Parts: sequence; structure tokens; C-alpha cells
Amino acid sequence: GENVEQHPSTLSVQEGDSAVIKCTYSDSASNYFPWYKQELGKRPQLIIDIRSNVGEKKDQRIAVTLNKTAKHFSLHITETQPEDSAVYFCAASYTGTASKLTFGTGTRLQVTL
Amino acid sequence: DVKVTQSSRYLVKRTGEKVFLECVQDMDHENMFWYRQDPGLGLRLIYFSYDVKMKEKGDIPEGYSVSREKKERFSLILESASTNQTSMYLCASVTGGADTEAFFGQGTRLTVV
Repeated sequence: GENVEQHPSTLSVQEGDSAVIKCTYSDSASNYFPWYKQELGKRPQLIIDIRSNVGEKKDQRIAVTLNKTAKHFSLHITETQPEDSAVYFCAASYTGTASKLTFGTGTRLQVTL
Repeated sequence: DVKVTQSSRYLVKRTGEKVFLECVQDMDHENMFWYRQDPGLGLRLIYFSYDVKMKEKGDIPEGYSVSREKKERFSLILESASTNQTSMYLCASVTGGADTEAFFGQGTRLTVV
């Protein structure tokens, strides 16, 4: 089955700096790569996703890149703000019958003032 | 708004008890999932279901079973609770097909004593 590795497990940046979180996946059949943000005490929510026919996607201060050959994808957050502090999870799936999502282990991002 | 509701926010059960965790979604989604969330281990898939009465094992099914008698309801069952099943349990609902955003419930923090 699919295996997703995520690094780093914790990341501390100063407000205004950029943050990068990296994930690798094992199953070349995976074609959908979402990122979820979980604020303290809340449920995970989708923030951005990318499909395998696209190399990069951007939404305001966040962007995701995908390298299918190397089987890795990354989340980039620019101009970080305190409200970006949360746990971020990457995931991979094949959009077939069951759309089973396999998650990485999470990155705790702390944005300090 | 999609709503995914888990029956309990907090539960304390004794070792050996049979435990039912209920999840209900209101958007006619085909796919439903049960994950457990533990620090440093991310979200691990226990079981999932892509149709009524259909179920598939995830990555860590041992000690658990599931029931999906109606499309909107997916139940996780701990046949004989053990202390190593103390965890946060998250239910998720996904439309399926090309639309694969997962909507999570608020989570059930289960403590087995």
C-alpha cells in the first residue's frame, strides 16, 4: 500500500519568513495530493491540493509543488503569520473507487513574533 | 456546509468493554473513513467504507470492526477495549470519484482505563 513520509516533524519560523514542508510517497499510482491544516483542538481542514497532471499550484500565500518522477511534493507558505501556527498533514491517494487517503505524520509549525 | 458529526467528544471506558463510536454525515457521500490520531504518528487509517454494507481494512484494523448499515452512518466498534486503544478517533467523509476532499468530524478522545 501507499506510504507517505513527511519532514520536518516540527518547524519554527519567525513571522514574515517562509516555511517549507516536504513529503514523499511510495505508490506511483497515487494521483491526488492534498494538504490539511489542523489548528489546536480543531478538526483537520483542506487548505490546498494538487493533482498529478499539474506541477505547481498557488493560492495566495500558500503553494504546493509536485515532482512525480521523484515522488515528492512540498508545501510552501510565504510571509508567515501567527495564525499559520498549526499541524500540517500531507496526504496521497489514488482517485479510484474508494479515494483512500494516506496521511503523513504531520508537521507542527510554530510562527513566532 | 458538509457536516460530519461524531457522537461523543470525550469517552472514558474500562478495559474489556465494548465501545461504539458513531459518525454521521449529511451530504450523501459514498466514502467514509475512521482514523486514529496519535502524537508523532499522524492519522492512521483503521477502516473505510465506499458503500453501504461494504467495508475494507485500513492500515491498523486489529482490535476494531465497523458497521455501515445506512449511507450516512459509519460506526467504529472496539470489541474489547484495551489501554493501547486510548487515542483521538477521527471520522471522515469523502464524496468520491474526482472530488476527493475529506471532511472530518470533530473527533472523539477515547481513554481506556
